[in-house]
Amino acid sequence: GENVEQHPSTLSVQEGDSAVIKCTYSDSASNYFPWYKQELGKGPQLIIDIRSNVGEKKDQRIAVTLNKTAKHFSLHITETQPEDSAVYFCAASWAGGYQKVTFGIGTKLQVIP
Amino acid sequence: GAVVSQHPSRVICKSGTSVKIECRSLDFQATTMFWYRQFPKQSLMLMATSNEGSKATYEQGVEKDKFLINHASLTLSTLTVTSAHPEDSSFYICSAATRTEAFFGQGTRLTVV
Repeated sequence: GENVEQHPSTLSVQEGDSAVIKCTYSDSASNYFPWYKQELGKGPQLIIDIRSNVGEKKDQRIAVTLNKTAKHFSLHITETQPEDSAVYFCAASWAGGYQKVTFGIGTKLQVIP
Repeated sequence: GAVVSQHPSRVICKSGTSVKIECRSLDFQATTMFWYRQFPKQSLMLMATSNEGSKATYEQGVEKDKFLINHASLTLSTLTVTSAHPEDSSFYICSAATRTEAFFGQGTRLTVV
């Protein structure tokens, strides 16, 4: 089965700086890579995703890159704000018929004002 | 994005009783629904996968007779924790998936006293 590794587990940045979270996956059949933000006591919210036919995707301050050869993908948050503080999960799945998503362990991001 | 409603958000029950958690996709039909369990400061662990009208597929180590899943329609799945014990206390999260994306409910905090 799929195995997703995520690091770092915790990350503290100053407000306005950038934050980068990296993940690797094991199953070369995976072709869908979503990122979720989870605030305390709430379910994960999809913030951005990328499919294997592209190498980079950007949505305002958030960008994701994918290297299928190396099986790496990363989340980049620029100009961080205190409200970006949360736990972020990367995930991998095969979007061939349904979404059995395998999650990374999560990264607790703290943005210091 | 699509909305997945999970109810209740919090529940406290006595040991030995059963608790039902509902998961509804409000504005789309879900081909598959997933149930996850999350322990404090940990990632989401898949418990089971269910398709409408068929029996759920449980992950290894998850007791199917304890965690009953019913997937009555393309918009509703329920998880019933039977004969609950304090060790069942956890955060339970459902996910509803289309063929291309997965969306999460807001989670249910179960406390068994």
